[in-house]
Amino acid sequence: DAKTTQPNSMESNEEEPVHLPCNHSTISGTDYIHWYRQLPSQGPEYVIHGLTSNVNNRMASLAIAEDRKSSTLILHRATLRDAAVYYCILRDRDNAGNMLTFGGGTRLMVKP
Amino acid sequence: DADVTQTPRNRITKTGKRIMLECSQTKGHDRMYWYRQDPGLGLRLIYYSFDVKDINKGEISDGYSVSRQAQAKFSLSLESAIPNQTALYFCATSDSGDRGGYTFGSGTRLTVV
Repeated sequence: DAKTTQPNSMESNEEEPVHLPCNHSTISGTDYIHWYRQLPSQGPEYVIHGLTSNVNNRMASLAIAEDRKSSTLILHRATLRDAAVYYCILRDRDNAGNMLTFGGGTRLMVKP
Repeated sequence: DADVTQTPRNRITKTGKRIMLECSQTKGHDRMYWYRQDPGLGLRLIYYSFDVKDINKGEISDGYSVSRQAQAKFSLSLESAIPNQTALYFCATSDSGDRGGYTFGSGTRLTVV
């Protein structure tokens, strides 16, 4: 299975943009890039996913490198409620049985 | 009401006891999953079910069993609980096209003493 590499932790100031990186150098052509986050004492929450093009939704933006070997989750204006562990996960579009496999993620700390 | 409801939220049980964790969903999703999370670690898949008649083992199924009683209900059982099964357990659902990703419950914190 293709793996992802994320920094263990990052810090951000409140109301500033946050760029969370993810490396996936062995990504295959049919792997979607998914992002989830887990707030303290809660279950993971879907954030965004994409295949090749950049994606935007109400929670975040996903910027995917042209060679697809890396991606960046962008929170445009961090709030204290965005403090969470963020997981970058690859899932094969063509494999119906491909489960979500969680790595260690990036712990984002937001300072007031 | 939550889309995915797990009961109980917290449970302390003794070694050797049988315990069942329950999960119900109102999403109308076909697929349901049970994950386990240990402190400071990511989630690991225990069992998953793509429909009522389909049950599959995940990465760490030993010591666990499941039952898919209906499309909306998926239970996880520990036949004889042991201390290293102390963890946070999450149920999740998704539709067959995975549109919108997985929806997770709030978790059950299980302590085996």
